[in-house]
Amino acid sequence: QVQLVQSGAEVKKPGASVKVSCKASGYTFTDYYIHWVRQAPGQGLEWMGWISPNSGGTNYAQKFQGRVTMTGDTSISTAYMELRRLMSDDTAVYYCARDLYGSGSPPDSWGQGTLVTVSS
Amino acid sequence: DIQMTQSPSSVSASVGDRVTIACRASQNIIRWLAWYQQKPGEAPKLLIYSTSSLQTGVPSRFSGSGSGTDFTLTISRLQPEDFATYYCLQAHSFPYTFGQGTKLEIK
Repeated sequence: QVQLVQSGAEVKKPGASVKVSCKASGYTFTDYYIHWVRQAPGQGLEWMGWISPNSGGTNYAQKFQGRVTMTGDTSISTAYMELRRLMSDDTAVYYCARDLYGSGSPPDSWGQGTLVTVSS
Repeated sequence: DIQMTQSPSSVSASVGDRVTIACRASQNIIRWLAWYQQKPGEAPKLLIYSTSSLQTGVPSRFSGSGSGTDFTLTISRLQPEDFATYYCLQAHSFPYTFGQGTKLEIK
């Protein structure tokens, strides 16, 4: 079955960077896009972007342009999301999710989430 | 960016009730709309995609309709496990955007 397992919780200081990993199993990693979505405490869902592990192509929400980098390592079926210059309002649970049928279709199978806390 | 507005923000209902949640897009998204269910402490779960296609394993009491800018999610006979927060997502153009969520609570 499709499974996405994310790295553990992180605590970072303002201005630092965080890199969250998302290891995929149960399907061919290069056949589907990986979305990244975040959720601040008590708030709604926010789409950050996606990566095509096959081509390395990315599409980022403009809000995160210049601060986020999404990559993939096909040799270990793992996607990564790095967010730089962290601020307190970047405190959130970050989810990776495989898309439904490729080509950036809606997120379908989700990871368990990674809590990133930004605090001085 | 396309703005997605859900209504109501919260709704109270009883087991067995029929509930409808609306989602309005700020511009035409044709039928590129998905619905998610999220329970506290859990990742979202895809219920419906392309406005009305039921994801595998989702009970048939869930249904979706609409086109253009106005969409609805209907739960025909509420079950105890349906009490959760529901989000719509437009997948027509980038950036994809979610509605603010509708919390479905037990009356």
